[in-house]
Amino acid sequence: DQQVKQNSPSLSVQEGRISILNCDYTNSMFDYFLWYKKYPAEGPTFLISISSIKDKNEDGRFTVFLNKSAKHLSLHIVPSQPGDSAVYFCAASMDAGNMLTFGGGTRLMVKP
Amino acid sequence: KAGVTQTPRYLIKTRGQQVTLSCSPISGHRSVSWYQQTPGQGLQFLFEYFSETQRNKGNFPGRFSGRQFSNSRSEMNVSTLELGDSALYLCASREWATQYFGPGTRLLVL
Repeated sequence: DQQVKQNSPSLSVQEGRISILNCDYTNSMFDYFLWYKKYPAEGPTFLISISSIKDKNEDGRFTVFLNKSAKHLSLHIVPSQPGDSAVYFCAASMDAGNMLTFGGGTRLMVKP
Repeated sequence: KAGVTQTPRYLIKTRGQQVTLSCSPISGHRSVSWYQQTPGQGLQFLFEYFSETQRNKGNFPGRFSGRQFSNSRSEMNVSTLELGDSALYLCASREWATQYFGPGTRLLVL
């Protein structure tokens, strides 16, 4: 039973355009959501997070949107840069931070 | 602040052996979690320690165990290694609701 799903295994975007990565979850008890960026054989790097009491959080080029009724969140990267090419994971937790449940990841390729 | 550190970075073992991996959290962080990443199962939670006590445990067999020391450093141990234990093992330390990951230990079981 996959509680967090990233239905797009890969996404290709032109440099300078917007990248939109999507994530769906099934467990309504999740109250905190995070996005991580990961390169092969390295640990995930924290990008941005959002609490379930908010519907949007922004940090520089990264914005996360949360739609609780649809159990859906998305990460927007504007403008996309070649250095953004990596695998992006969304993660969810209950009790604000314990025990992260990860999606399967989306490979983002930003073409120059 | 220095990030999460993990040692060793790479390890090769044979079936039936045991292995111990080490993690030092970010200074001041008291919570340490461990995760396993494999191509088939993705990133999965193993366990979390806080102030030397295991607070949560994922769905892994008893061969996987861990502990945390008074300085918040943590170790995880896998006994009687199986081929399927080959994975990237990640440690994370937590500040409030955000977990910060180390570089991982790549374990190969032959």
